[in-house]
Amino acid sequence: DAGVIQSPRHEVTEMGQEVTLRCKPISGHDYLFWYRQTMMRGLELLIYFNNNVPIDDSGMPEDRFSAKMPNASFSTLKIQPSEPRDSAVYFCASSRLAVEETQYFGPGTRLLVL
Amino acid sequence: QQQVKQSPQSLIVQKGGISIINCAYENTAFDYFPWYQQFPGKGPALLIAIRPDVSEKKEGRFTISFNKSAKQFSLHIMDSQPGDSATYFCAAIESYNFNKFYFGSGTKLNVKP
Repeated sequence: DAGVIQSPRHEVTEMGQEVTLRCKPISGHDYLFWYRQTMMRGLELLIYFNNNVPIDDSGMPEDRFSAKMPNASFSTLKIQPSEPRDSAVYFCASSRLAVEETQYFGPGTRLLVL
Repeated sequence: QQQVKQSPQSLIVQKGGISIINCAYENTAFDYFPWYQQFPGKGPALLIAIRPDVSEKKEGRFTISFNKSAKQFSLHIMDSQPGDSATYFCAAIESYNFNKFYFGSGTKLNVKP
């Protein structure tokens, strides 16, 4: 398996623009997670899905952020409008079980909002 | 408020030495404590994990020590190698309430040859 695939790997955009991050989980994994990593706040869980259904989005920072999982093999994280403070590395991870099963992280998308 | 406090922020160890990273928590509802290893430009990868019903878990050169009464746990890397140079994160989870998943701030380990 190719592992968790994220695109783009790098994104530079201007403040106010819409940003869409994409994730393809490992086939057969029922859980998908979106994380954000910054120097200031470390790793934060933003939202997770189980069988394509959002289970908890309490980590989503504000209404400018939204996430969807239209099918088992694809998820998006959208920021609209983007702000400089959204600059971070965004990781997608997937697993077969919520906790004890290993979460497999993608390579991340490095986002820079100017 | 930081739910999991990790120290040190950075660590330099000579090859063959022991690397020790510590984490502390307050929420007694946490019942699963994984450690992740992250190399530059990569996503974190699960290294080893422990539940509070055991005081120690060992996998190869990596050992988690857990002190439930002190609400502390630590990662020990024996015979540290330059290839272990990475950032290490501890985490704590309430397994019945998965959204309560908290990472420590990370420790950047540099193992000198």
